[in-house]
Amino acid sequence: QVKLLQSGAALVKPGDSVKMSCKASGYTFTDYIIHWVKQSHGKSLEWIGYINPYSGGTNYNEKFKSKATLTVDKSSSTAYMEFSRLTSEDSAIYYCASPLPGYPWGQGVMVTVSS
Amino acid sequence: DIVMTQTPSSQAVSAGEKVTMSCKSSQSLLYSENKKNYLAWYQQKPGQSPKLLISWASTRESGVPDRFIGSGSGTDFTLTISSVQAEDLAVYYCEQYYDTPLTFGSGTKLEIK
Repeated sequence: QVKLLQSGAALVKPGDSVKMSCKASGYTFTDYIIHWVKQSHGKSLEWIGYINPYSGGTNYNEKFKSKATLTVDKSSSTAYMEFSRLTSEDSAIYYCASPLPGYPWGQGVMVTVSS
Repeated sequence: DIVMTQTPSSQAVSAGEKVTMSCKSSQSLLYSENKKNYLAWYQQKPGQSPKLLISWASTRESGVPDRFIGSGSGTDFTLTISSVQAEDLAVYYCEQYYDTPLTFGSGTKLEIK
């Protein structure tokens, strides 16, 4: 069964960084890209970027280029996103998703930025 | 960036009724080489992750009930639910994947009377 399992919720201080994970199972990890999407409270969806697990190549939304860093660990079939210099505007749920059959999404990571 | 505009922002219908919602893009999503529209519809139920319902503007994903119908081409698209069920309570988003950055509409919230 195809699954994307994300790490748990995070409470971080303004100016800090947060790194979240997305562990893939049930398919060949390097066959499909992983997208990352932001959903601010009660709002729509914003595409952050994607990473190709096979090559490590990335494509970022310009809006998030200086904010997000996408990486993968092929040995554990896990994708990571690090978000830096956090502000209250970064408080949101972050999802990973992959365009394989069924287009699974992770369950989301709630990030709260508060002092 | 391609701007996706969804209307209405919310809609309340009774179970069994037909509902339509619109999605317009700021530029054509029809790729001339393969005649495909790069437009998807997602359903997000309260407290859940989005779920892909329809891709290529009109292709239902496996397991999606046939009451969900996607149509349209170019810049104008529609999602129709032919006979709304109580479990269809959700926010519906359109997304273009014609070009990066991928962009989403603001959503249509479907409420059941």
